Amino acid sequence: GAVVSQHPSRVICKSGTSVKIECRSLDFQATTMFWYRQFPKKSLMLMATSNEGSKATYEQGVEKDKFLINHASLTLSTLTVTSAHPEDSSFYICRGGREGGEAFFGQGTRLTVV
Amino acid sequence: AQSVTQPDIHITVSEGASLELRCNYSYGATPYLFWYVQSPGQGLQLLLKYFSGDTLVQGIKGFEAEFKRSQSSFNLRKPSVHWSDAAEYFCAVGPSGSARQLTFGSGTQLTVLP
Repeated sequence: GAVVSQHPSRVICKSGTSVKIECRSLDFQATTMFWYRQFPKKSLMLMATSNEGSKATYEQGVEKDKFLINHASLTLSTLTVTSAHPEDSSFYICRGGREGGEAFFGQGTRLTVV
Repeated sequence: AQSVTQPDIHITVSEGASLELRCNYSYGATPYLFWYVQSPGQGLQLLLKYFSGDTLVQGIKGFEAEFKRSQSSFNLRKPSVHWSDAAEYFCAVGPSGSARQLTFGSGTQLTVLP
């Protein structure tokens, strides 16, 4: 099947700094990328949906100025957590797909803000 | 609105025993149904999916699931559990065309006793 490669798998950053998470579709063009956040022992919460070349659509309660999403090409989408705080520590997962086709999860990124 | 319920938060079975994980959904049209497995600190791996046709779906790792429209259920089964099956399992429902938003259940944690 198609592959979505997510990096980094783990990152530790200091409070107040920014962290960028990348998701690349390796063998297909991802016209849509979903970004999820998963709290410990919890299910996946959709944060935002991005379409290549347009602004991301954020779910209610998700701060768009804090979680910057860029989907500038059909093979790359990024999530930047700006001015990170300890409460932003979580597991972030992307899921990329093409219109009318299947979508595939990245491996996830464990973010720890200290 | 679509929703997914996984009534069992945690299930413990002995290795070699049979397994059934429950999933009930609420969806206004014909649903696309998925089961994913997540090992600790990892992304989600697709076990199987149902779009249409035969209501008994075979997946990877010896798993199967049966779609029962009358009961709005899509339970996951495995005849003989292996220790490596210990993980978190998520049921999800989505609209036609998989590159769309999925709604996830809250997950079922599976523990396998030796």
